[in-house]
Amino acid sequence: NAGVMQNPRHLVRRRGQEARLRCSPMKGHSHVYWYRQLPEEGLKFMVYLQKENIIDESGMPKERFSAEFPKEGPSILRIQQVVRGDSAAYFCASSQRDSGEQYFGPGTRLTVT
Amino acid sequence: AQSVTQLGSHVSVSEGALVLLRCNYSSSVPPYLFWYVQYPNQGLQLLLKYTTGATLVKGINGFEAEFKKSETSFHLTKPSAHMSDAAEYFCAVSDRPTDKLIFGTGTRLQVFP
Repeated sequence: NAGVMQNPRHLVRRRGQEARLRCSPMKGHSHVYWYRQLPEEGLKFMVYLQKENIIDESGMPKERFSAEFPKEGPSILRIQQVVRGDSAAYFCASSQRDSGEQYFGPGTRLTVT
Repeated sequence: AQSVTQLGSHVSVSEGALVLLRCNYSSSVPPYLFWYVQYPNQGLQLLLKYTTGATLVKGINGFEAEFKKSETSFHLTKPSAHMSDAAEYFCAVSDRPTDKLIFGTGTRLQVFP
């Protein structure tokens, strides 16, 4: 059973460009979470999604950030018009319904130049 | 609001010595508590979790943690450190099994020969 997949692993974008981060949950998992880890800091929750629904987006910046988890395909975290402060590691986690155990992917390290 | 405090951003021990990583939490409801480990440039791996029941929880790699409600603590211990334990450790709390995780800022464990 493959684990949580994230791609790309490393992404370099210039200021003003768009970044798209993809997350494929573990097989059978219907819950996806996105977290951001800034250098030398812990992980901060961004958004929690189920298929075709955003359950909790209380950690998402109000502008430029969006997330989706379509019926088919991976979950996408989209950052428009990136700025240097968006440079971070973005982690996706997935869980089964009601399991309480989140499995993390290897992360996407975004660098904005 | 929930929060997690990890005392000591860096802990150093000798190989074979006791490992003690401290975690205190704040939660208005009975918490779900987790310890994760992160190796360099990798995602997070679940070490152990407390949901309900027995307050002493055993995890992988010889780690265990004890939930102490009166002290609002969930400290992580291992009787004998191994070189391979060197990593960053994160304590996390959530309200419900499928809720977002609130992480502490992490403790970097160094193990000296």
